[in-house]
Amino acid sequence: NAGVMQNPRHLVRRRGQEARLRCSPMKGHSHVYWYRQLPEEGLKFMVYLQKENIIDESGMPKERFSAEFPKEGPSILRIQQVVRGDSAAYFCASSLERTGEAFFGQGTRLTVV
Amino acid sequence: AQSVAQPEDQVNVAEGNPLTVKCTYSVSGNPYLFWYVQYPNRGLQFLLKYITGDNLVKGSYGFEAEFNKSQTSFHLKKPSALVSDSALYFCAVRDGGNYGQNFVFGPGTRLSVLP
Repeated sequence: NAGVMQNPRHLVRRRGQEARLRCSPMKGHSHVYWYRQLPEEGLKFMVYLQKENIIDESGMPKERFSAEFPKEGPSILRIQQVVRGDSAAYFCASSLERTGEAFFGQGTRLTVV
Repeated sequence: AQSVAQPEDQVNVAEGNPLTVKCTYSVSGNPYLFWYVQYPNRGLQFLLKYITGDNLVKGSYGFEAEFNKSQTSFHLKKPSALVSDSALYFCAVRDGGNYGQNFVFGPGTRLSVLP
């Protein structure tokens, strides 16, 4: 059973471009979480999704950021018109159920130049 | 709203000595508690969890944690530290009584095990 797969591992975007981060949860997992981590800092919650539904997006900026987890395919975190402050590591995690632990992907390191 | 505190930014311990990484939490419902470890440039790896049952939980790599409801704590422990345990450790909580609540992580504690 493959773990949580995130791609790309590294992404470089120029200011103003769009960044699209993909996350394939573990097989059978229907709960997906996105977190952002700055160097030497903790994890900041962004969004919690269950298949086709956004459960909690309280940590996601209202503008430029969006997330989806369609019935088929990976979860996508989309950042439009990126700025230098968006540079960070973005981690996706999935869980089988609410009482279960979350399993993390290796992260996507976004660099905005 | 739930929250997690890890009062120590850094913990240093000599190899072979016992280690403790502290965590306290605040949650309105039943706490689901987790410990994760992060190595440089890697994702988080799950170590152990407390959902219900015995207060002492055993996990991966010889780690264990004790749930203390009265002190709202969930400290991570290991009887004998290894140099390879040096990493960033995160405590996380989830409100078991609130369906929509996600995982909330503490700020992390960097553990350095000295040879």
